[in-house]
Amino acid sequence: TQLLEQSPQFLSIQEGENLTVYCNSSSVFSSLQWYRQEPGEGPVLLVTVVTGGEVKKLKRLTFQFGDARKDSSLHITAAQPGDTGLYLCAGLGSNDYKLSFGAGTTVTVRA
Amino acid sequence: EAQVTQNPRYLITVTGKKLTVTCSQNMNHEYMSWYRQDPGLGLRQIYYSMNVEVTDKGDVPEGYKVSRKEKRNFPLILESPSPNQTSLYFCASSTLTVAGNTDTQYFGPGTRLTVL
Repeated sequence: TQLLEQSPQFLSIQEGENLTVYCNSSSVFSSLQWYRQEPGEGPVLLVTVVTGGEVKKLKRLTFQFGDARKDSSLHITAAQPGDTGLYLCAGLGSNDYKLSFGAGTTVTVRA
Repeated sequence: EAQVTQNPRYLITVTGKKLTVTCSQNMNHEYMSWYRQDPGLGLRQIYYSMNVEVTDKGDVPEGYKVSRKEKRNFPLILESPSPNQTSLYFCASSTLTVAGNTDTQYFGPGTRLTVL
């Protein structure tokens, strides 16, 4: 059983549409990270959110950390084909330094 | 160039034959970690290390060993590999922030292991 549940598992949209990926857990995390992974490569960090209720923007990407620090969301506005990839969320344990990943959301943006 | 290197990149072996996957980082990072990635399961942490001689179990440590004798190296050892350890393995490193969080994790290129 995954500590972090990501949804949806797969997402296919047309260029220009918006999308949201969710990352939920019953556990509290000291911080939550979002990564993007391309085929054949290691994940690359997009953002780290630390404070409950925090919202961070990275160009067309908006990341939100839930007030209780148990969940997070990634919203992409006006998606482009270059946004295609596997998006992973990861939570750092509040009592240890274990990093738990969700299973990932595969996003495909069609031109 | 700041990087995490892993060797080998690809390995095919047989059940029971001990193997070591090396991981090295040149960024003086305190935190290092090993993950395995399997379809539909995302990345699962095997072991992590907060600093030299300090290692802790992640979510799936069974069948693996690690050591951290030097800050830059964090080898992953499979004493008696089995087919269920066939997977894509990633090593990663990061600093630890003053607040006690891990900073940006830098991932190695991955090692694809097949155990027959």
